[in-house]
Amino acid sequence: SQQGEEDPQALSIQEGENATMNCSYKTSINNLQWYRQNSGRGLVHLILIRSNEREKHSGRLRVTLDTSKKSSSLLITASRAADTASYFCATDAILGTGNQFYFGTGTSLTVIP
Amino acid sequence: DGGITQSPKYLFRKEGQNVTLSCEQNLNHDAMYWYRQDPGQGLRLIYYSQIVNDFQKGDIAEGYSVSREKKESFPLTVTSAQKNPTAFYLCASSTWTDMNTEAFFGQGTRLTVV
Repeated sequence: SQQGEEDPQALSIQEGENATMNCSYKTSINNLQWYRQNSGRGLVHLILIRSNEREKHSGRLRVTLDTSKKSSSLLITASRAADTASYFCATDAILGTGNQFYFGTGTSLTVIP
Repeated sequence: DGGITQSPKYLFRKEGQNVTLSCEQNLNHDAMYWYRQDPGQGLRLIYYSQIVNDFQKGDIAEGYSVSREKKESFPLTVTSAQKNPTAFYLCASSTWTDMNTEAFFGQGTRLTVV
């Protein structure tokens, strides 16, 4: 079953603006990850934040995690047309000695040049 | 280059036929996964495998079958029992025992029933 729900489903902004998308999940996690998918392509990993971390940065990406609210946000600063893609959050689930990934429904981001 | 390769990129199937999607990885990952993606529904897990000769059903395994005879390969067969097979199929791999690991994805296979 899907663990995460992204919000909004779709977002359209002007180039140079910041884009914020949110993810809510249901159960306890070890980590939360964000992925990007260009149209018709596979997913590419962007950033992982562990359950004991509250904020993490990578280039123009900033991720926050609030485990008490079971939510995360992804901020893309100074957006570019090339950032146009769908963004998914994924949480892990421990299965015995291994792990699995549960993906949300995604946010479709359009950056207008 | 290390990576995960899916083939073919596009696949057309007549109703009532079985079809097999290929997934190969050279990342030395123990775990491999198959996801189905439909518009607006995100990714749903079909099957996963954590080790050679072992695999487990995901959330939507009905109408699908897999095998894991080699560490590098995890083919997915879409059988005639799958009622609505038209979708985008994604294969992924990862380490299995590292709790903070990422999934690596192939470029996907778009299956269309004609």
